[in-house]
Amino acid sequence: KQEVTQIPAALSVPEGENLVLNCSFTDSAIYNLQWFRQDPGKGLTSLLLIQSSQREQTSGRLNASLDKSSGRSTLYIAASQPGDSATYLCAPLYQFYFGTGTSLTVIP
Amino acid sequence: NAGVTQTPKFQVLKTGQSMTLQCAQDMNHEYMSWYRQDPGMGLRLIHYSVGAGITDQGEVPNGYNVSRSTTEDFPLRLLSAAPSQTSVYFCASSIGATEGYTFGSGTRLTVV
Repeated sequence: KQEVTQIPAALSVPEGENLVLNCSFTDSAIYNLQWFRQDPGKGLTSLLLIQSSQREQTSGRLNASLDKSSGRSTLYIAASQPGDSATYLCAPLYQFYFGTGTSLTVIP
Repeated sequence: NAGVTQTPKFQVLKTGQSMTLQCAQDMNHEYMSWYRQDPGMGLRLIHYSVGAGITDQGEVPNGYNVSRSTTEDFPLRLLSAAPSQTSVYFCASSIGATEGYTFGSGTRLTVV
């Protein structure tokens, strides 16, 4: 079974700070990896999908990297804003498993 | 495009009652899956389907039943509701196993 770990489980930062969220997985035989955002009481919104042939994917202030050989992905958020406060989940695709997420709070 | 539509959004059941959570997608996705989300436990796979007529069990299938008669619909049936099934249920779909998921907005179920 694929084990997906996200560290830290919770993070609180002041507005404007750059931050990194980590995702590690035990089975590197994945194809792609997807990052999601979940606001309280809401569903999951896709942020970035990294294809296995890519090492990075960028969208606005978000940048995600994927290193299959080491079983790791990182989500970098630049110049954080209070509106970024949410839970961020990663999902190594193919095996339907998700990480438990990192709960981010950006303090104004 | 509506994406993935889940109904109802909220439901309260009494122990022993049965019900069906509906999930429909209009993207012609072959893969559909059901998850439950509980505090501190993340998303856990209940059942999934790789196409019409094909379903399989996930990590926590007990007490749930599914069928996939069409590409668009993937209903989840609770056979005899128990308080342990109190949770938020999400349906997701994708073109294939390795492609990105699209999630519905969820059903918040309380069993009393």
